Amino acid sequence: DQQVKQNSPSLSVQEGRISILNCDYTNSMFDYFLWYKKYPAEGPTFLISISSIKDKNEDGRFTVFLNKSAKHLSLHIVPSQPGDSAVYFCAATVGGGADGLTFGKGTHLIIQP
Amino acid sequence: DAGVIQSPRHEVTEMGQEVTLRCKPISGHDYLFWYRQTMMRGLELLIYFNNNVPIDDSGMPEDRFSAKMPNASFSTLKIQPSEPRDSAVYFCASRRFNEKLFFGSGTQLSVL
Repeated sequence: DQQVKQNSPSLSVQEGRISILNCDYTNSMFDYFLWYKKYPAEGPTFLISISSIKDKNEDGRFTVFLNKSAKHLSLHIVPSQPGDSAVYFCAATVGGGADGLTFGKGTHLIIQP
Repeated sequence: DAGVIQSPRHEVTEMGQEVTLRCKPISGHDYLFWYRQTMMRGLELLIYFNNNVPIDDSGMPEDRFSAKMPNASFSTLKIQPSEPRDSAVYFCASRRFNEKLFFGSGTQLSVL
């Protein structure tokens, strides 16, 4: 049973437009959420995170929104750039991350020129 | 810092053979994690260690899989005997408590 779900395996967006990646979770105990970015032949790298006490966190072109009542979070990238083409993993954890992260299956974002 | 170092980068083996994957975590990190990535299941947590002690191995698929961490700077994940369904990318990751997770570049395992 997938506790973290990314229902879009891929997403194609034009350069300069907004990319919106979605993630849903089922475990109400999750209280910390993260997005990781992965290029081919590399390991995932941390992108941005949000605590359940917030509903928004922004870092440059990247913003993560959390809707606890809907158990939904989203990552917005604006404007999208060619270097943003990668696989994006949503992850969640309990208690700030004392144990391992639970990841979704990932969304492959393709930025078209 | 060199980051999390995994070896080998690629491993091709035949069904039934023993496979050993290796990981050197970032110095000073007291948590080490082994993940497996497949198209069907995404990134799955297999096992993690805290201060070299296995804490949760509930993600290990079956008894053919075993992991050890003999000291703070080295861990192994062993599959014996290997099967074609074990083909995946295996990632090692490490971190300090409540800090972000750093991943290695992974080992691409192909079992023929």
